Amino acid sequence: QQQVKQSPQSLIVQKGGISIINCAYENTAFDYFPWYQQFPGKGPALLIAIRPDVSEKKEGRFTISFNKSAKQFSLHIMDSQPGDSATYFCAARAAGRGSTLGRLYFGRGTQLTVWP
Amino acid sequence: NAGVTQTPKFQVLKTGQSMTLQCAQDMNHEYMSWYRQDPGMGLRLIHYSVGAGITDQGEVPNGYNVSRSTTEDFPLRLLSAAPSQTSVYFCASSRSGRNTDTQYFGPGTRLTVL
Repeated sequence: QQQVKQSPQSLIVQKGGISIINCAYENTAFDYFPWYQQFPGKGPALLIAIRPDVSEKKEGRFTISFNKSAKQFSLHIMDSQPGDSATYFCAARAAGRGSTLGRLYFGRGTQLTVWP
Repeated sequence: NAGVTQTPKFQVLKTGQSMTLQCAQDMNHEYMSWYRQDPGMGLRLIHYSVGAGITDQGEVPNGYNVSRSTTEDFPLRLLSAAPSQTSVYFCASSRSGRNTDTQYFGPGTRLTVL
């Protein structure tokens, strides 16, 4: 059972446009929602993250919107640039006890291409 | 700080062969994990460890073994490689408990099983 569902699988945006990637989760025991960015041939790296007690977090051109009641969160990339072309993963962190604490559940990823 | 290092970067195995993927981190992180990445499937957790001597299974553990004898190292063993294990493998580490805000990933090992 997939804990975190991500869409779309791929996204093509023109330079200067807005890229939007959506994620949804079922388990209410998640306490932290990071987004990872991965360039070809590299490991994923943390891009931006949010906790469920806030509805929005912005860092530069990247914004996370969080809707706790709908169990959804999304990544918005404003003024998208060719250098943003990468695969983006949303994730949710388990807040359980014992060895499950801190475990991350990832979405299946979105391959973003920004055309110049 | 080297961060999270993985060796080898590339490996080709024949069906039935065994091998160990190495992972090391120099950040004194207690939490370490192994993921595999396949096209369209995202990152799937294989095994993880919350500290030396403690390991647990993730969502796709079959065919893989792990051990954690030191804080720094977390090797992943393939006992009898199968073509279904062809994938890119990532090791990651983070601080333990509720402070696991950031998982740091290694550069990956691309494994092909013929």
